[in-house]
Amino acid sequence: EVQLVQSGAEVKKPGESLKISCKGSGYSFTTYWIGWVRQMPGKGLEWMGIIYPGDSNTRYSPSFQGQVTISADKSISTAYLQWSSLRASDTAMYYCARCVATNDYSFDYWGQGTPVIVSS
Amino acid sequence: EIVLTQSPATLPVSPGERATLSCRASQSVSSNLAWYQQKPGQAPRLLIYGASARATGIPARFSGSGSGTEFTLTISSLQSEDFAVYYCQHYNKWPPFTFGPGTKVDIK
Repeated sequence: EVQLVQSGAEVKKPGESLKISCKGSGYSFTTYWIGWVRQMPGKGLEWMGIIYPGDSNTRYSPSFQGQVTISADKSISTAYLQWSSLRASDTAMYYCARCVATNDYSFDYWGQGTPVIVSS
Repeated sequence: EIVLTQSPATLPVSPGERATLSCRASQSVSSNLAWYQQKPGQAPRLLIYGASARATGIPARFSGSGSGTEFTLTISSLQSEDFAVYYCQHYNKWPPFTFGPGTKVDIK
């Protein structure tokens, strides 16, 4: 069974750093793109970027380029989303999701979401 | 960047009725379009990919059509569990693979 299990809720202060995780199981982690999606409170879905764990090829949305870093450790089948300096506007639910295939970037399996609250 | 617009923003439908949701792209995305369903407090669920292919386990009452810039998601006979927000997403050529703003299917 394919599963993506995300790390738990985070409460941080502005300016702090953060790294959240997404562990894949039940499939070949290195041969499927993994993406990150932001959902701010009461709002829609925002595509942040994707990574191919097999070679760490990463593509970002221009809206998030330079604001976050997406990485993966294929030895432990885990993808990451990190911030070096959080802002209150980073408060949101963050989902990781697996792409359907190498050349199909729709998301067929999703993590449960990691809520991030940034508040002083 | 390709922009997706969805209409209507809210769609009141009675159980058993047909629901038709629209997604329009600012430029052609070929058939590289997906539809998702999201219920409150839950992660999105893939319904349709490749504009018309149903994802695993998705009931046959959900169908997708279109190509290029105009796409439609049809729910043939709305069930109580179908009241949710529906998003389209393109994944044509280069990122960002943006989502539309969503259509909320409400009880009439």
